[in-house]
Amino acid sequence: DAGVTQSPTHLIKTRGQQVTLRCSPKSGHDTVSWYQQALGQGPQFIFQYYEEEERQRGNFPDRFSGHQFPNYSSELNVNALLLGDSALYLCASSPMRSTDYNTEAFFGQGTRLTVV
Amino acid sequence: AQSVSQHNHHVILSEAASLELGCNYSYGGTVNLFWYVQYPGQHLQLLLKYFSGDPLVKGIKGFEAEFIKSKFSFNLRKPSVQWSDTAEYFCAVNPGGYNKLIFGAGTRLAVHP
Repeated sequence: DAGVTQSPTHLIKTRGQQVTLRCSPKSGHDTVSWYQQALGQGPQFIFQYYEEEERQRGNFPDRFSGHQFPNYSSELNVNALLLGDSALYLCASSPMRSTDYNTEAFFGQGTRLTVV
Repeated sequence: AQSVSQHNHHVILSEAASLELGCNYSYGGTVNLFWYVQYPGQHLQLLLKYFSGDPLVKGIKGFEAEFIKSKFSFNLRKPSVQWSDTAEYFCAVNPGGYNKLIFGAGTRLAVHP
């Protein structure tokens, strides 16, 4: 059973460019969340996708956008990259049952984005 | 704003020493609580979780945590650490369902043989 997979593992971009990160959730999971983990900090919630729609959003600017596909995989897009966007971007998936929110999130290994 | 505080950023222990990592959160409603571990070069893995019931929860690898509602705390403990416990430990809170996790800044644990 494959866990959460993310691609690419590492990425170097120039300030002002755009980037797309990809995530495939764990088998049987339909909810995908994205987190940003800056060096020396805990992960920060960016947004969550369920049924191909953004369900919740953290305190991130509109430069951060996402998408979820019918097969539950997801993309994170960041436009107009800033040096401060350099971080580890984590994808987490979880099963979502409408009557039970007591579920846990499973994380991928992340994509290390460096903006130069 | 909802937040999670982890009291120790770096902890250094010798093997067989006891471990307690502090975690406090700020949220007055019902919460789900988690401890995740990140071993060097690996992804975040769930150590243990609290949803309801017995406030003393046991996780993998001999870890346990106690939820004290009156203190808004969820401290992680292990009676005897091993060198393989060297990792970064994150406390996380799900304050309103749907798995929107709020993480603490993490505690980096180094265990010396």
